[in-house]
Amino acid sequence: LAKTTQPISMDSYEGQEVNITCSHNNIATNDYITWYQQFPSQGPRFIIQGYKTKVTNEVASLFIPADRKSSTLSLPRVSLSDTAVYYCLVGYNFNKFYFGSGTKLNVKP
Amino acid sequence: SAVISQKPSRDICQRGTSLTIQCQVDSQVTMMFWYRQQPGQSLTLIATANQGSEATYESGFVIDKFPISRPNLTFSTLTVSNMSPEDSSIYLCSVEDEDSHYEQYFGPGTRLTVT
Repeated sequence: LAKTTQPISMDSYEGQEVNITCSHNNIATNDYITWYQQFPSQGPRFIIQGYKTKVTNEVASLFIPADRKSSTLSLPRVSLSDTAVYYCLVGYNFNKFYFGSGTKLNVKP
Repeated sequence: SAVISQKPSRDICQRGTSLTIQCQVDSQVTMMFWYRQQPGQSLTLIATANQGSEATYESGFVIDKFPISRPNLTFSTLTVSNMSPEDSSIYLCSVEDEDSHYEQYFGPGTRLTVT
């Protein structure tokens, strides 16, 4: 199982772009990279998933370099409501996905 | 997407007692998962529950302590047995997206405090 490493916390201001990087040096060929967001007192919520290069949806972008040993979640123009914990997960068989420590993002006014 | 509800939303229990947490999904799903999240920590997978078979437990979790039932494709229960203060956590159930298989939907969680 690929272990992930993320910064414990990050601060940002409203309107800024936030990039959260996750390291997964022993990612396997079949593994996908998935990011989740968790607000206090709620269950995690799926944000985005990718395998290689770049993936974009309505809320975020995911950048994955060619060696796939890291990935970066990009949140454009964050607001106060984006204050949450963000988890990077790596795996191919979903019932064997494990949550790492996550990154606590604090967005300031 | 699936909508998941859990009961109770929170409870305060005395040590030595047991609590059964219910998880209800608004659609039929093959796989359901139970997680534990201790205060300020990440989520830890307890077990995977498939309908019609015994749950598969992760390392560090045993059936005697956390018995799980999965009587049908929309419902599951997790029992926390013989509780101690160390069992104070948030317990969450989740289901796999039947189409993508790479996304899970989580319930709101059950906040358990053991005194």
